[in-house]
Amino acid sequence: GAGVSQSPSNKVTEKGKDVELRCDPISGHTALYWYRQSLGQGLEFLIYFQGNSAPDKSGLPSDRFSAERTGGSVSTLTIQRTQQEDSAVYLCASSPWSDNEQFFGPGTRLTVL
Amino acid sequence: QQQVKQSPQSLIVQKGGISIINCAYENTAFDYFPWYQQFPGKGPALLIAIRPDVSEKKEGRFTISFNKSAKQFSLHIMDSQPGDSATYFCAASSRSNDYKLSFGAGTTVTVRA
Repeated sequence: GAGVSQSPSNKVTEKGKDVELRCDPISGHTALYWYRQSLGQGLEFLIYFQGNSAPDKSGLPSDRFSAERTGGSVSTLTIQRTQQEDSAVYLCASSPWSDNEQFFGPGTRLTVL
Repeated sequence: QQQVKQSPQSLIVQKGGISIINCAYENTAFDYFPWYQQFPGKGPALLIAIRPDVSEKKEGRFTISFNKSAKQFSLHIMDSQPGDSATYFCAASSRSNDYKLSFGAGTTVTVRA
């Protein structure tokens, strides 16, 4: 079956612009996670959605970052007023209910000039 | 602060040799310890995982050894092949924390033919 998909695969933007990154989880997976992978910080958790519950935003680095998940499926991560330090690969993962195996998408490579 | 410490940063092994990667953690609440394999331009893929109620798990050429008292776990890749050349991440999570993954810094493995 189809895995986790993310779009775009690459995004180049100018400092100060807003960007939206999209994640389509595996059908039927109720848990969705966003992580960021950067040279300086490695892989770090950003935000977690489970079903219709309020998201866990404890990993978001600043209030410029937000995410939503519509209809318990597709998720969008938005970064406002991008900064150069936001340059990284943004990874999305999904997981079935009450399971702990996370399936990762290919990521979106964000470059802020 | 990194909750999971991984070493070495990189290693080179001859084809047919054994690759060993070590990880250590502090949080005793962790109850799930996966290893992920990542190729350039791809998202991490689950390789093998272990829970703290067992000391060893083997899947094909990959073995996890787990030492609960020392709070350490390691990945052994037996009969290493050039196709195993990738970056390997250990991780840890807990059910009580919604299985949000804390990753090690990664180990780049190069297998020479």
